[in-house]
Amino acid sequence: SYVLTQPPSVSVAPGKTARITCGGSNIGTKSVHWYQLKLGQAPVLVIHYDSDRPSGIPERFSGSNSGNTATLTISRVEAGDEADYYCQVWDSSRDHPVFGGGTQLTVL
Amino acid sequence: QVQLQESGPGLVKPSQTLSLTCTVSGGSISSSDYYWSWIRQHPGKGLEWIGYIYDSGSTNYNPSLKSRVTISVDTSKDQFFLKLSSVTAADTAVYYCARSSRGVIITEYGGFDPWGQGTLVTVSS
Repeated sequence: SYVLTQPPSVSVAPGKTARITCGGSNIGTKSVHWYQLKLGQAPVLVIHYDSDRPSGIPERFSGSNSGNTATLTISRVEAGDEADYYCQVWDSSRDHPVFGGGTQLTVL
Repeated sequence: QVQLQESGPGLVKPSQTLSLTCTVSGGSISSSDYYWSWIRQHPGKGLEWIGYIYDSGSTNYNPSLKSRVTISVDTSKDQFFLKLSSVTAADTAVYYCARSSRGVIITEYGGFDPWGQGTLVTVSS
């Protein structure tokens, strides 16, 4: 089955840029979706279709996808961005979703 | 605005069946444009997709759970359900329901939005 690989953790100072990667074989041929999970809250879709922001998501969140790596970029990081972030694609061979292992973003 | 809300027992005994309900408000579960999924997160672990239902009754399950999972729907109440049989402590997790949009080709399949708040289910005697 298709595997997505994320770094377990990323740390960034407030006001700087955080980049969270999601690796997968030829992931650039798939649509990648990104989620933000905070304890006790409903998960939030922050980027869909590689780089599109759903309504209500700040412009500081952006995404890209090419080759074997998709990237979620958070600019001008704020304390409130501290959360776990997951990437997700649809596995065409089984018509079901696959999640990455998640990345814990720490704002220093 | 569509909202989803999970409900069900927070404690289930080993070997019994876990049963959860997801109630959809602000929209119809009968729409053929969406998959309605169950997803779980074990304590301190990542997200695991359990399965989805669509077209008012068709299903697709995670192969690792397929033998124990049943997802069903009641369109008259805009609810869908999860049953997971023969549970063990390894099934202790936060269970989420979520909606995703379908597409003609796989690259058009959307992300999960919205999600329910999640409900913690503990398997313990």
